[in-house]
Amino acid sequence: NAGVMQNPRHLVRRRGQEARLRCSPMKGHSHVYWYRQLPEEGLKFMVYLQKENIIDESGMPKERFSAEFPKEGPSILRIQQVVRGDSAAYFCASVGQGSTGELFFGEGSRLTVL
Amino acid sequence: SQQGEEDPQALSIQEGENATMNCSYKTSINNLQWYRQNSGRGLVHLILIRSNEREKHSGRLRVTLDTSKKSSSLLITASRAADTASYFCATDKGGSYIPTFGRGTSLIVHP
Repeated sequence: NAGVMQNPRHLVRRRGQEARLRCSPMKGHSHVYWYRQLPEEGLKFMVYLQKENIIDESGMPKERFSAEFPKEGPSILRIQQVVRGDSAAYFCASVGQGSTGELFFGEGSRLTVL
Repeated sequence: SQQGEEDPQALSIQEGENATMNCSYKTSINNLQWYRQNSGRGLVHLILIRSNEREKHSGRLRVTLDTSKKSSSLLITASRAADTASYFCATDKGGSYIPTFGRGTSLIVHP
């Protein structure tokens, strides 16, 4: 009964490269959130998805960032042409349909941009 | 701006003492949640309290909610060194399905 799985746990990229972060939700969960956390700060909402649909992307930067949650496979957060300011921990959380609101988090993916 | 803000930012206590953290928020909510994060790890859900509830208990945790003051408190009784972590409140901004987190309270419990 695996929890939310995120990979990679650590990712190092040089400026201008692309970063792809993956998230497999808990079994039976069809909704996924992505949050970003800077050091010593709280989580900032980025995007909320269900399978094959973006429900709310109001927290996503307008450029370079995109997210998807295909019918099959994990949710992917993609950052193109990374810059140093993208260095952060990116967390995925999943919820089941009809949930009371409790989020189940993965262990995060820590992106470092050199 | 943050919907929820925890207070204090940092708290340092001795094992066995009680720890109290507060959360204030700005807009009406349907529920408020508390989460815990150990260093370098993901968040773990502790407790959810609905807007029509005033108090909730779970083991050594006690959460209160005062909707008139738009505030909540998390009390950890008889703290242990293993309680050392950051604690976050998350609110749903009145019907929104997007939990919004505060900056957290960093709790250190000295053995």
